[in-house]
Amino acid sequence: EIVMTQSPATLSVSPGERATLSCKASQSVSSKLVWYQQKRGQAPRLLIYGASTRATGIPARFSGSGSGTEFTLTISSLQSEDFAVYYCQQYDNWPLTFGQGTKLEIK
Amino acid sequence: QAQLVESGGGVVQPGGSLRLSCAPSGFSFSSYGMHWVRQAPGRGPQWVAFIRHDGGTKYYADSVKGRFTVSRDNSKNTLYLQMNSLRDEDTAVYFCAKTSDSSWGWFDPWGQGTLVTVSS
Repeated sequence: EIVMTQSPATLSVSPGERATLSCKASQSVSSKLVWYQQKRGQAPRLLIYGASTRATGIPARFSGSGSGTEFTLTISSLQSEDFAVYYCQQYDNWPLTFGQGTKLEIK
Repeated sequence: QAQLVESGGGVVQPGGSLRLSCAPSGFSFSSYGMHWVRQAPGRGPQWVAFIRHDGGTKYYADSVKGRFTVSRDNSKNTLYLQMNSLRDEDTAVYFCAKTSDSSWGWFDPWGQGTLVTVSS
């Protein structure tokens, strides 16, 4: 099983600033990596697939990068609605596995 | 716009059984693989099971293999998860999720979830 590790566990950022979230895989997953956003009491929402392709309707301030074992989600200018928990997930191998999440909170 | 609605959650004793259902709308259900994903309170999501569009291929997480069965009835437009021999650690919100046009590997969209509580 591929283990996904996200850091930091909690990130405190001011609105308007940039946020950078990290996700590392225990072995290469090529570019088979997605990012989700989850707000309290809601289901996760797909943000990025293929490590860097934004899903339909996702604002351009969200960008993904990386390949192999190291990936980054960047939110260029944080809006109030972006404060949430973010999860990465690999789909290179079964079982599909998630990171433990990064909580993005208002500083 | 694709939407998914789960039902069937509830409180069940350890060792008991429960069947979850997922009702899709807004897309051609019979053309897409489907997943079940769960999320224990305060934890990240955990993938549970996958079924191909025609039911011909199924995958399970090791933690549920032999206890859970994913199935679908394309004529009734419904996805199922039969859960037997339930354990305390199966307590979670269970989501159904649709695959994409190009890959079985991610979940978009997810339903709102149904809560399963295993407790004596």
